[in-house]
Amino acid sequence: AQSVAQPEDQVNVAEGNPLTVKCTYSVSGNPYLFWYVQYPNRGLQFLLKYITGDNLVKGSYGFEAEFNKSQTSFHLKKPSALVSDSALYFCAVRDKEVNTGFQKLVFGTGTRLLVSP
Amino acid sequence: DTEVTQTPKHLVMGMTNKKSLKCEQHMGHRAMYWYKQKAKKPPELMFVYSYEKLSINESVPSRFSPECPNSSLLNLHLHALQPEDSALYLCASSPYRTSGVTDTQYFGPGTRLTVL
Repeated sequence: AQSVAQPEDQVNVAEGNPLTVKCTYSVSGNPYLFWYVQYPNRGLQFLLKYITGDNLVKGSYGFEAEFNKSQTSFHLKKPSALVSDSALYFCAVRDKEVNTGFQKLVFGTGTRLLVSP
Repeated sequence: DTEVTQTPKHLVMGMTNKKSLKCEQHMGHRAMYWYKQKAKKPPELMFVYSYEKLSINESVPSRFSPECPNSSLLNLHLHALQPEDSALYLCASSPYRTSGVTDTQYFGPGTRLTVL
C-alpha cells in the first residue's frame, strides 16, 4: 500500500523566514503526491500536486513543493512565511483499490505550522 | 463555482436521534466522498460514490448510511450514534476522470458533530 510520512508534528518559524514542511513517501510505481492545508474548524484546501514533469511544483498562496525521487521526499516550501500561514498541513499520496481500481487519497499524520510575528 | 457546501455546520444529537448531513457541489464532479476527522488527526475515508453508485465502503458501521440521490448531492444519514462518533465530517468531490490522470479532491468546510 502507498503511504506518506510527516516526521514533524509541529514546525515553528518566524514571519518573513523561509519555511519547510517535510513529507516522505513510500509507493510502488509512480508517486502521485498532494499537499493540503487545513485552517482551524475548516475543511481541507488543495495547495498543489505532483503527477509528473518538473520536480518543482508551484501551488496556491505562494507555496511550492520539491519532488526528490532519490530521497523519496516531497517537501512543502515557501520563501517567506506569513502569520496567516499558521495551519495544519497534510501530505497525501494516491492509492488505488486493488479490487476496483478506484483511486483514493492516503494522508499523512499532519504537521502544524506556527508562524510567529 | 469551485465550492463544496455542507449543512449543517454544527450538529448536536442524542444517541437515539436520527439526523442527516448534506453535501452539495455544482462543479460537475462525478465522484463524492465522506471522511471522518478527529481532532488533530488526518481525515479517514468512509465512503466514495462514483456516478451516483457506492464504490468504496471502508467498513463503516451501519449506523452511518450514505445516499447519493443525484450527481450534485451526497447525504449521510445518522442513526443510533455513539459518543465516539463525535468528529468533523468532511465531504469532498473530484472530477473522476477515468483516463488515468489523478483527480484532485475538493473539500467542503465540514459538519462538526457532537453525540451526547
